[in-house]
Amino acid sequence: EVQLVESGGGLVQPGESLRLSCAASGFTFSSHEMNWVRQAPGKGPEWVSYISSSGTIIHYADSVKGRFTISRDNAKNSLYLQMKSLRADDTAVYYCVATRLIDMDVWGTGTTVTVSS
Amino acid sequence: EIVLTQSPATLSLSPGERATLSCRASQSISTSLAWFQQKPGQAPRVLIYEASNRAIGIPARFSGSGSGTDFTLTISTVEPEDFAVYYCHQRSNWPRSTFGQGTKLEI
Repeated sequence: EVQLVESGGGLVQPGESLRLSCAASGFTFSSHEMNWVRQAPGKGPEWVSYISSSGTIIHYADSVKGRFTISRDNAKNSLYLQMKSLRADDTAVYYCVATRLIDMDVWGTGTTVTVSS
Repeated sequence: EIVLTQSPATLSLSPGERATLSCRASQSISTSLAWFQQKPGQAPRVLIYEASNRAIGIPARFSGSGSGTDFTLTISTVEPEDFAVYYCHQRSNWPRSTFGQGTKLEI
């Protein structure tokens, strides 16, 4: 079964850091592009970051550029998102999303990040 | 940034009726548009890609059309399990992509 499982979310104060992880299974992780997409409460999804299958091509949304870092470890079938200088508007459910057959066709269950003092 | 505007915000229908959801892009995106369905507590799932192609496992009652700036998702006969929020998604400037704000299909 194709599966993505995120972890690492939680409650943090503004300015703090958090590292999200995503464990992939059921498909050849190293062959596929990956994204992080977030969804704030009551809002539509927002694309956050992209990484190519080899990890050599990376893109960020302007809202997180300079604060978030995406990475992957193909040997461990894992995707990561290092988040620094967190703000209240980063509060959201963060999804790990794979492009397996078509763009963004495999989504994880999400992990919740809450930034609040 | 390409902005997607969905209408209506809420669509109230009964099972068996036809649903028509619209998505308008702020600039031409050819056919680089997908439709996602999201149910409460679940992640979005892709229904339609490249404006008119059904994803694997998606029932034939779902269809997409359009190109350029105007797109439509049609559910020919709404089933009880179709009540959810629907988002359009453009990837014209891939990998930077944007989602619409959603249309809630309710009973």
